[in-house]
Amino acid sequence: GAGVSQSPSNKVTEKGKDVELRCDPISGHTALYWYRQSLGQGLEFLIYFQGNSAPDKSGLPSDRFSAERTGGSVSTLTIQRTQQEDSAVYLCASSFGQGSYNEQFFGPGTRLTVL
Amino acid sequence: AQSVTQPDIHITVSEGASLELRCNYSYGATPYLFWYVQSPGQGLQLLLKYFSGDTLVQGIKGFEAEFKRSQSSFNLRKPSVHWSDAAEYFCAVGDSGGGADGLTFGKGTHLIIQP
Repeated sequence: GAGVSQSPSNKVTEKGKDVELRCDPISGHTALYWYRQSLGQGLEFLIYFQGNSAPDKSGLPSDRFSAERTGGSVSTLTIQRTQQEDSAVYLCASSFGQGSYNEQFFGPGTRLTVL
Repeated sequence: AQSVTQPDIHITVSEGASLELRCNYSYGATPYLFWYVQSPGQGLQLLLKYFSGDTLVQGIKGFEAEFKRSQSSFNLRKPSVHWSDAAEYFCAVGDSGGGADGLTFGKGTHLIIQP
């Protein structure tokens, strides 16, 4: 079956613009996660969804970041008024259920460059 | 808060030699522990995981890791590396206490294989 897919694979934008990053999880996976991978910071957990609900949004770096999930499937991560420090690879993962003991399957990521 | 330290940013090993990648964690109880590998242009792939029980765990691609509670370590080993093992390796800790489900990753160790 298909793995986790993300689009676009690459996104170049100008400072101040808004961007939307999309994640399609593995079919049947109820939990979905967003991470950010940047130079010097490693992999940073941003937010997770169980179904369409995100119980804890405190990992989002600022109020310019938001995420939603609809139909228990596709998720979008939106960054408003992008800044250069937002440049990173944004990774999405999904798992069969919630809880860290469920293996998270990662997508290939979206590389965001803010000029 | 939980944290993961991977002390070695880069490691160079000759093909056929043994490998050990270090990982130390900070967590209040027994955590869930993971090793992931990221090859160039690829997503993160789970190598192995530890939840409880036998402290020596076997994973894919001939890797193993040993959980040592007294040292708060979860080092990854392989008896004989292959050129295809060149990649970035990440150690991660998950919350076993029912909290936030995102993983906390170390900053990674870049493995270089010499012919």
